[in-house]
Amino acid sequence: GEDVEQSLFLSVREGDSSVINCTYTDSSSTYLYWYKQEPGAGLQLLTYIFSNMDMKQDQRLTVLLNKKDKHLSLRIADTQTGDSAIYFCAEMNTDKLIFGTGTRLQVFP
Amino acid sequence: EPEVTQTPSHQVTQMGQEVILRCVPISNHLYFYWYRQILGQKVEFLVSFYNNEISEKSEIFDDQFSVERPDGSNFTLKIRSTKLEDSAMYFCASSASLDRVHGYTFGSGTRLTVV
Repeated sequence: GEDVEQSLFLSVREGDSSVINCTYTDSSSTYLYWYKQEPGAGLQLLTYIFSNMDMKQDQRLTVLLNKKDKHLSLRIADTQTGDSAIYFCAEMNTDKLIFGTGTRLQVFP
Repeated sequence: EPEVTQTPSHQVTQMGQEVILRCVPISNHLYFYWYRQILGQKVEFLVSFYNNEISEKSEIFDDQFSVERPDGSNFTLKIRSTKLEDSAMYFCASSASLDRVHGYTFGSGTRLTVV
């Protein structure tokens, strides 16, 4: 079945770039997403990428998609303490989202 | 900005009891979903709902689970006889259409603890 995998933790210094990686198995996925979950909050859509794109940039966020390797990454430039959260990648399968395990990003001063 | 509202934020219930988790989706949305996240595990799809019927459900969504849109504004998830393994964060989501560009809007979740 479909599966989405992420590394569990990432720790970066404030001001550095963060790169969160994700691999997925469903080659038919047309949309891939990054969601952010802050403590006690819901899942906030950060950005998405369509499968015929290689890259998408949105302010501090850059999404890279390697469709051949089924690899998705999220780069956060100039990471701030407010970026500390859990980041989920997800793929759309029919009408449902398949989520990864989430990567906990910790930003230290 | 419109929100999906879930109540309560935390519910504790005894094993075997029925619970109803409530959600108020965004008012002009037509597609509704429940997901759950067991502590430390992935967010998992439970069920999708459109036009007053279930569109799709996962293997998790067995006969103990049901969903309802009783009054045109609320969307509820009922668990008939809770088990310890039902303890999880339950997220409601809604979307205006099958708009894959924008995904869904999620609520803040209800943490269900079964004791």
